[in-house]
Amino acid sequence: DAMVIQNPRYQVTQFGKPVTLSCSQTLNHNVMYWYQQKSSQAPKLLFHYYDKDFNNEADTPDNFQSRRPNTSFCFLDIRSPGLGDAAMYLCATSRDWAGNQPQHFGDGTRLSIL
Amino acid sequence: DAKTTQPNSMESNEEEPVHLPCNHSTISGTDYIHWYRQLPSQGPEYVIHGLTSNVNNRMASLAIAEDRKSSTLILHRATLRDAAVYYCIPIPAGNMLTFGGGTRLMVKP
Repeated sequence: DAMVIQNPRYQVTQFGKPVTLSCSQTLNHNVMYWYQQKSSQAPKLLFHYYDKDFNNEADTPDNFQSRRPNTSFCFLDIRSPGLGDAAMYLCATSRDWAGNQPQHFGDGTRLSIL
Repeated sequence: DAKTTQPNSMESNEEEPVHLPCNHSTISGTDYIHWYRQLPSQGPEYVIHGLTSNVNNRMASLAIAEDRKSSTLILHRATLRDAAVYYCIPIPAGNMLTFGGGTRLMVKP
C-alpha cells in the first residue's frame, strides 16, 4: 500500500503559469521533504517541514514555495515555472529529525513545461 | 556534510553477490550511514543504515569499516529487479539527505 502518494504522476504546464504539486502521507510522520531531480542527476533537497515549521534550503529559488496545511498533506507551488524547472519532484517523509530515521519517498511528479 | 565517493557503475550477474563500496573519509563521529536506491521511474527507496556495527535486513547487509571511513552494501543474490542507482549518504543530525552521484548497478541475466 502506498504510504507517500504524489499526484499527479505527470503534470504539464505552460511557461509562467503557476502550478501546484501535491503530496499526502499515511504514516503520520512529523517531517516532510520536497526534492527536485533533473534528468540524469541526483535528487536535490528544496525544503522541508518539521510539523508546521518550514525550512528552506539556501539555494532554493524564490519561485518555489510550499504549504503544509496539516500532518498528512504538503504542497509545492511553483509561481512562474521556467523551462529550467522541468524535473521530477519527489516528496518524502520521516518520523523525525534523527539521523537514524529512514526517509520514505513517493514515486514523484514529473513536471513538463511547454 | 561528509563527501562520498562511489564507483559510477558496476555490473553483476544474476544470482551472484554484489559488493557496492562507498568511501566517506570525512564522516563525522555521529553521522549515520544510509543507503538508498532508485529504480528507473521511481522515487528513492530506503535500503539500510548503520552507525558503527554491521547491519543486516531483508534487503541487504551493510559492512562498516572499523574507522568508519568506508562502507560496503552487500546484496547477497542479485536479481534483475536490483538494477538501480545506489546512493551512500552519511547523515548528520537533522536528517538531511544530500545525494551524491551514486553507483548505477547493472544486473545481467
